[in-house]
Amino acid sequence: GDSVTQMEGPVTLSEEAFLTINCTYTATGYPSLFWYVQYPGEGLQLLLKATKADDKGSNKGFEATYRKETTSFHLEKGSVQVSDSAVYFCALTRGGGADGLTFGKGTHLIIQP
Amino acid sequence: ETGVTQSPTHLIKTRGQQVTLRCSSQSGHNTVSWYQQALGQGPQFIFQYYREEENGRGNFPPRFSGLQFPNYSSELNVNALELDDSALYLCASSFEPGLNEQFFGPGTRLTVL
Repeated sequence: GDSVTQMEGPVTLSEEAFLTINCTYTATGYPSLFWYVQYPGEGLQLLLKATKADDKGSNKGFEATYRKETTSFHLEKGSVQVSDSAVYFCALTRGGGADGLTFGKGTHLIIQP
Repeated sequence: ETGVTQSPTHLIKTRGQQVTLRCSSQSGHNTVSWYQQALGQGPQFIFQYYREEENGRGNFPPRFSGLQFPNYSSELNVNALELDDSALYLCASSFEPGLNEQFFGPGTRLTVL
């Protein structure tokens, strides 16, 4: 079945550091890929998405590129802020209602001032 | 515009009991998906309802069932509760199934003793 693997946390960085959170996937066909973020005390929010190979999703300074050859969708940000502290989830769907979203386990990001 | 709401916020039940969780979808959305998020894990897809019919299901036993009402709100019912059912239950709504963005509610925390 489909699966998503993302790097274990917590990841602790200093403010203004460069961020990479790795995500790889296993799926048949051509899934769409997502990054969701969960801020403390809040629900999951879509951060960015990419629906086909070589697409780049971007939002709020975060970027991720859909790499079919390496089955990866790594999340990057050039300069993190304390307000970026949250749990980040990589997810995929093949688009049919029968599948829903398949999530990774989440990566807890902690940004220190 | 009202977002996705869920009730109750927290719930404590004992093994063998039955529970009903409720979700109100975002205005204009006709599709509701339910997810189970165990502590430290990513959400797992339970099922999806579209226009009052179950549209797809994940790997959950039949004691997990649901309903969707004409106003597109939804219920998740779990019978014969087990200790492993303790989790955060998330509801997400979207405009149509497929690749449309899913908007998540804050969740209901269920504890089974």
